[in-house]
Amino acid sequence: RKEVEQDPGPFNVPEGATVAFNCTYSNSASQSFFWYRQDCRKEPKLLMSVYSSGNEDGRFTAQLNRASQYISLLIRDSKLSDSATYLCVVMGYGNKLVFGAGTILRVKS
Amino acid sequence: DAGVIQSPRHEVTEMGQEVTLRCKPISGHDYLFWYRQTMMRGLELLIYFNNNVPIDDSGMPEDRFSAKMPNASFSTLKIQPSEPRDSAVYFCASSLGTGRGYTFGSGTRLTVV
Repeated sequence: RKEVEQDPGPFNVPEGATVAFNCTYSNSASQSFFWYRQDCRKEPKLLMSVYSSGNEDGRFTAQLNRASQYISLLIRDSKLSDSATYLCVVMGYGNKLVFGAGTILRVKS
Repeated sequence: DAGVIQSPRHEVTEMGQEVTLRCKPISGHDYLFWYRQTMMRGLELLIYFNNNVPIDDSGMPEDRFSAKMPNASFSTLKIQPSEPRDSAVYFCASSLGTGRGYTFGSGTRLTVV
């Protein structure tokens, strides 16, 4: 089983839509969680950390469910510029960040 | 801050040749990571350093790969001899801690023909 699993998508949504991604992780002892965004042929960039109580950054909301070992990212009012690959990231065994394979989002006008 | 700087941006080399990738981390960051990204395997951690010391190299695929960090502002990843299956994008990242968000460089796109 992979340490971090994501639905690869793609998720094709119209502008203005709300879209949610989930990811599951295998290490129940993990303490740090993040969402990264990666544009085509670019480096991954930190989008937001994920906290136990859930957190929001503008149109983006991240949630953590430790009991079920999954993390979610909700994007409201999608923009064309949100089109990218979203990487779920968990601190895995040996205190290393482990990246999921990513979920592709395509926002269409 | 200039961010994490990697060079070269692109490298095309013939099988059997030596390849050296370079990275300058963000000043003050005491962790440095080398990742490799392919369509098939995603982002894989190859090795990471803390205060210039290699901590975990379990992700290094084989003896053809080696990495060094002679000082806090410079690291290299070397492949000798290179093989076509080494073709990938190699990212360097730095951080203030293993559990903190990483800042990635722009990557080196390596093609071995």
